[in-house]
Amino acid sequence: EAGVVQSPRYKIIEKKQPVAFWCNPISGHNTLYWYLQNLGQGPELLIRYENEEAVDDSQLPKDRFSAERLKGVDSTLKIQPAELGDSAVYLCASQTGGTDTQYFGPGTRLTVL
Amino acid sequence: DQQVKQNSPSLSVQEGRISILNCDYTNSMFDYFLWYKKYPAEGPTFLISISSIKDKNEDGRFTVFLNKSAKHLSLHIVPSQPGDSAVYFCAASAGANNLFFGTGTRLTVIP
Repeated sequence: EAGVVQSPRYKIIEKKQPVAFWCNPISGHNTLYWYLQNLGQGPELLIRYENEEAVDDSQLPKDRFSAERLKGVDSTLKIQPAELGDSAVYLCASQTGGTDTQYFGPGTRLTVL
Repeated sequence: DQQVKQNSPSLSVQEGRISILNCDYTNSMFDYFLWYKKYPAEGPTFLISISSIKDKNEDGRFTVFLNKSAKHLSLHIVPSQPGDSAVYFCAASAGANNLFFGTGTRLTVIP
């Protein structure tokens, strides 16, 4: 079974530029999460989807961050415009209903110059 | 406010000995606890979990112990192997909802 797929793996951009990250969850997993991980810290939740509905986006900085999961499968996380402090690893995770375990992708390491 | 805490940023253990990684939490509503292992440039990999109705769960060389009264859990790795060297994250959730992670403990197993 394929795991969670994320792309790109690495992205370097200049501040004020837009950037987008893509995630393909494990097949059949209806719950999808985006996390932010800063250096030396644990992952922190940005947004959680149940199918195509964002059920928890309370930690998403909505002035510059947006996300979508239009057909309840793949998801895209966007930052516009990026700031220096956005440099971090962005992780996607998925989970199937009735279980508590989340499975993570490899992450996208974003560097904002 | 950090609801899940891993107070030891690093731990070094000799190969073959026991590794004990600790985790404390503050939210009494947490009912499910997980340990993830992370290698450099990879995402966290699920290792082992425990429900709050249990106090111990074992899977091969890995055992997780939960002390609800102390709001403390620990991961035991016996025997430790060099391939176990990684960052270990403790995580907790309440009612199968969002996970809250600790800051991680870097384990180094010395051959």
